[in-house]
Amino acid sequence: EAGVTQFPSHSVIEKGQTVTLRCDPISGHDNLYWYRRVMGKEIKFLLHFVKESKQDESGMPNNRFLAERTGGTYSTLKVQPAELEDSGVYFCASSQRQGGTGELFFGEGSRLTVL
Amino acid sequence: AQSVTQLDSHVSVSEGTPVLLRCNYSSSYSPSLFWYVQHPNKGLQLLLKYTSAATLVKGINGFEAEFKKSETSFHLTKPSAHMSDAAEYFCVVRPHDTGRRALTFGSGTRLQVQP
Repeated sequence: EAGVTQFPSHSVIEKGQTVTLRCDPISGHDNLYWYRRVMGKEIKFLLHFVKESKQDESGMPNNRFLAERTGGTYSTLKVQPAELEDSGVYFCASSQRQGGTGELFFGEGSRLTVL
Repeated sequence: AQSVTQLDSHVSVSEGTPVLLRCNYSSSYSPSLFWYVQHPNKGLQLLLKYTSAATLVKGINGFEAEFKKSETSFHLTKPSAHMSDAAEYFCVVRPHDTGRRALTFGSGTRLQVQP
């Protein structure tokens, strides 16, 4: 069974440009999460989808970030316009239906470099 | 609110010697605690989790951790390090009772294993 897949693995863009990161969760996982790690800092929560609905978006840093999960399958995270401080690794994770303390399965991350 | 403190940013051990990675947490609610590992260019992988059952938790690859409520600690140990254990390790907390699913990560401990 395929794990969580993320694309692209690495993206280099200039300040002011737009980037879209994609995450394909494990099939059947209703919960999808975005996290990011900026250089030298902790991995921080961005937001949580349950199917296509945003359950918790308290970690989104500002309105330059837009996450979608149309149809409750894959998700995209768009950064527009990108700033230097957006550089880091963006992780996606998925888990099965809510309830209990289900394991989160993480992807390998998308590294974003903003020049 | 919850937080996690990993007391060592880097730990270096010799192959065959014990490993101790330290983690202290704070949480307003009864927490779930996890250790994740990230090998170079790989996603985050769950090593083990504590969810209010047995306080000594055994994980994959010979790792284990003990939940000590009185010390608010969840240190990760392994009796004998292997070269393949070299990676970055993250202590993670999730409050059990609030309904929020977001994980709070520690800053990570990079484990180096010397031959």
